[in-house]
Amino acid sequence: AQSVSQHNHHVILSEAASLELGCNYSYGGTVNLFWYVQYPGQHLQLLLKYFSGDPLVKGIKGFEAEFIKSKFSFNLRKPSVQWSDTAEYFCAVNAATGRRALTFGSGTRLQVQP
Amino acid sequence: GAVVSQHPSRVICKSGTSVKIECRSLDFQATTMFWYRQFPKQSLMLMATSNEGSKATYEQGVEKDKFLINHASLTLSTLTVTSAHPEDSSFYICSARGGGSSYEQYFGPGTRLTVT
Repeated sequence: AQSVSQHNHHVILSEAASLELGCNYSYGGTVNLFWYVQYPGQHLQLLLKYFSGDPLVKGIKGFEAEFIKSKFSFNLRKPSVQWSDTAEYFCAVNAATGRRALTFGSGTRLQVQP
Repeated sequence: GAVVSQHPSRVICKSGTSVKIECRSLDFQATTMFWYRQFPKQSLMLMATSNEGSKATYEQGVEKDKFLINHASLTLSTLTVTSAHPEDSSFYICSARGGGSSYEQYFGPGTRLTVT
């Protein structure tokens, strides 16, 4: 079974600061990797995903993530955060075959101060 | 993008009653739907995987007789919480994916269940 670790539980940044949220996973096979965002009172939205190919993936709203296979990591980055990025961020993985149910990390609460 | 709806968005019920939550894929056929549970300020935990026309696969620790899942069509899955208790109060979220090599899941907006 796969597992996902997000090391930062609560991050507070000022606007225009750079963001990096850590995500590490554990699984013996090929995985697909995802970052989801949950704005207050809203449902989960997909930020970006990695299936194969270029390990640096770009998503919506200026977010990007890099898959480093040797480190089992898929960290999320944004060069300059905005107040509107305040939300909960979840890293998730699923096996590339089979049921493809998602395993989520514990989430990182990002608070951006104006 | 694909849209998944859930109904109701909020429900309050009395202890001992049953509640049904619907999950619909509005513009695609979902061969597989997943049901998750999210406790306040925590992550989503997979409860079960629902495949159209077959029995759901439950995760370890999830009581299949308490959380009844039906996936009768390619656009509808239902989760019935039977004999609900206050500890069942939670946010229930479904997701759906199409068939074949489709990797992506689309999430519903969730249903807030409060058992009094």
